[in-house]
Amino acid sequence: DTGVSQDPRHKITKRGQNVTFRCDPISEHNRLYWYRQTLGQGPEFLTYFQNEAQLEKSRLLSDRFSAERPKGSFSTLEIQRTEQGDSAMYLCASSLVAENTEAFFGQGTRLTVV
Amino acid sequence: EDKVVQSPLSLVVHEGDTVTLNCSYEVTNFRSLLWYKQEKKAPTFLFMLTSSGIEKKSGRLSSILDKKELFSILNITATQTGDSAVYLCAVEAMRNNNDMRFGAGTRLTVKP
Repeated sequence: DTGVSQDPRHKITKRGQNVTFRCDPISEHNRLYWYRQTLGQGPEFLTYFQNEAQLEKSRLLSDRFSAERPKGSFSTLEIQRTEQGDSAMYLCASSLVAENTEAFFGQGTRLTVV
Repeated sequence: EDKVVQSPLSLVVHEGDTVTLNCSYEVTNFRSLLWYKQEKKAPTFLFMLTSSGIEKKSGRLSSILDKKELFSILNITATQTGDSAVYLCAVEAMRNNNDMRFGAGTRLTVKP
C-alpha cells in the first residue's frame, strides 16, 4: 500500500493523558497537512508542513497541540492533557508542491477521550 | 478571513435524479478548488479545478469553476444509491504559507 498511512486507527484515552499520532505520507510528497473532523462537520485545518518546515498553524491549534515533521518524511501530532472536546477524527493528507496536484488523505485516527 | 461555503447542507433525492452541489469561496490569492467525496472513511479526491470555465468530468460526475463569481458546482447525473456521501469542497491559496480550507460539506442521500 503506497497511500497515506496513519497510526493508530483508533485511540481511547483518559482525560488528562497525552497522545501521539503518526502519519506517513506518500513517499515523494513534500507537503503534509493535519486536519480534525468532528461528527457532522467538514475537516478543520490544523497545521501544514512543507518538507520539515511547519508553515502555518490554525487558530484551532491550542498550546496543547504540537506537530513535527523532523526529517521531512513522517509527521507526528501530539495532544497534551487531553480534554473531552479533543474527541474527533484526526486526518493527515499529503501532496506535491507542483502545479495541479491533489492531496491524498489517510484513513484517519479516531480519538475518544473519556 | 478565508471562507468556503457549501450549499445545500443536505439533499435527499431518488435514484436517477440529477443533483447540483454548490461551493462559494472567499480566498486571498486563490490557487485551486478541490472536491472530495467522503463516505464512512477518509475523503477521496474527485476533482481539482484551477481555471475558469473548463469542465472536468469523471463518469456521471462533472465540475466547473467560476473564478469571477467565486464559486464551483459539482453535478451528478443519473444518481445511484452508491453516490450517497458527504461531498466536500476545499480551497487552496497561493501564498507562502499555503493551506487548504474546507467547507462544511453537503450530505447527499440517494434513495432507491
